[in-house]
Amino acid sequence: GENVEQHPSTLSVQEGDSAVIKCTYSDSASNYFPWYKQELGKGPQLIIDIRSNVGEKKDQRIAVTLNKTAKHFSLHITETQPEDSAVYFCAALNPYNFNKFYFGSGTKLNVKP
Amino acid sequence: DAGVIQSPRHEVTEMGQEVTLRCKPISGHNSLFWYRQTMMRGLELLIYFNNNVPIDDSGMPEDRFSAKMPNASFSTLKIQPSEPRDSAVYFCASSPGHAGVAYNEQFFGPGTRLTVL
Repeated sequence: GENVEQHPSTLSVQEGDSAVIKCTYSDSASNYFPWYKQELGKGPQLIIDIRSNVGEKKDQRIAVTLNKTAKHFSLHITETQPEDSAVYFCAALNPYNFNKFYFGSGTKLNVKP
Repeated sequence: DAGVIQSPRHEVTEMGQEVTLRCKPISGHNSLFWYRQTMMRGLELLIYFNNNVPIDDSGMPEDRFSAKMPNASFSTLKIQPSEPRDSAVYFCASSPGHAGVAYNEQFFGPGTRLTVL
């Protein structure tokens, strides 16, 4: 089965700096890679995703990059703000395994004002 | 759209009692997932339904756990008997995705925080 590893487990940055979270996956058949943000007391929410036919995707201050050869993908947040503080999860999905996501272990991001 | 609805939001019970968690997926979604989240183990998939049929229950930890989806708009996760180590946040998620289709966003509910004393 798929194995998704996520690093770092905690990340502390100053407001305005950039934050990068990295994930690796093991199943070369995985082709969909979402990133979820979980705020305290809430369920995870999708913030950005990328499919295997794309190398990079941006949405305002958030971007995701994918390297299929190396089997890794990263989340980049620029100009961080205190409201970006949350736990971020990456995930990978193999379409031949229905909709089963394999989640990373999460990164707790703390943006200091 | 109200999103995925879960009830109760908080549940405190004593060891040995039966616990039932409820979920209403987003209308029109045909996939439903139950997850458990703990500090130690992160987000774990317990069971996955597609068109009301259980597809993968390999994540269900023990026979004490059971899940049903009697129709497209309702699912339950039952723990009987409950134990202190079952304390966790349980999430339900639904997805409009179909097998073999790439678009597979999962929409999570707010979760049920379960405490077993």
